[in-house]
Amino acid sequence: EPEVTQTPSHQVTQMGQEVILRCVPISNHLYFYWYRQILGQKVEFLVSFYNNEISEKSEIFDDQFSVERPDGSNFTLKIRSTKLEDSAMYFCASSEGGLYEQFFGPGTRLTVL
Amino acid sequence: DQQVKQNSPSLSVQEGRISILNCDYTNSMFDYFLWYKKYPAEGPTFLISISSIKDKNEDGRFTVFLNKSAKHLSLHIVPSQPGDSAVYFCAASAVTGGTSYGKLTFGQGTILTVHP
Repeated sequence: EPEVTQTPSHQVTQMGQEVILRCVPISNHLYFYWYRQILGQKVEFLVSFYNNEISEKSEIFDDQFSVERPDGSNFTLKIRSTKLEDSAMYFCASSEGGLYEQFFGPGTRLTVL
Repeated sequence: DQQVKQNSPSLSVQEGRISILNCDYTNSMFDYFLWYKKYPAEGPTFLISISSIKDKNEDGRFTVFLNKSAKHLSLHIVPSQPGDSAVYFCAASAVTGGTSYGKLTFGQGTILTVHP
């Protein structure tokens, strides 16, 4: 069964450094998403990406964040100048359409020291 | 942001009995609702969904009920099995300006424990 994959599973970085989280969505999906879950809190939406551009983003997704689909398979989230409060689980998801179920990857645990 | 609320942080049921997980929402623009199951250190796994034009959707042991007037949905699991023990999230999506890009708003989650 097709699945969303994410690398790395755990990323440790120093405050102020840049990180890139990688995702390979399900191949025939057209919509791509990033969510995050800070420990003990809700899963919260960051950004959606469709037709090679951001279709919607949350207030959290400020200039510190960017997304890219550099080729036909990868979908990346870049966090510039990481802060302590960026420590969270970051989940990538993909779906066939806007009102279809989203399939999530296993997540990347980001720890900012 | 409390647009989707799961008021029960935890639920404990006996194997073979029914589990009922509840979810309330406030945003009347939500028109697609989903339930996800999550194990520790894994991503959410899709379980079942329902469109706002329906009031019930069934898939095997899982049934989702939607009461739009009460802005309430519930997930029934019958019969419950120990392997169902996990965190269950409800989520909702809205159409804005005739388009949905699928942004999901999640509840806080309910920890379900099914005892053998």
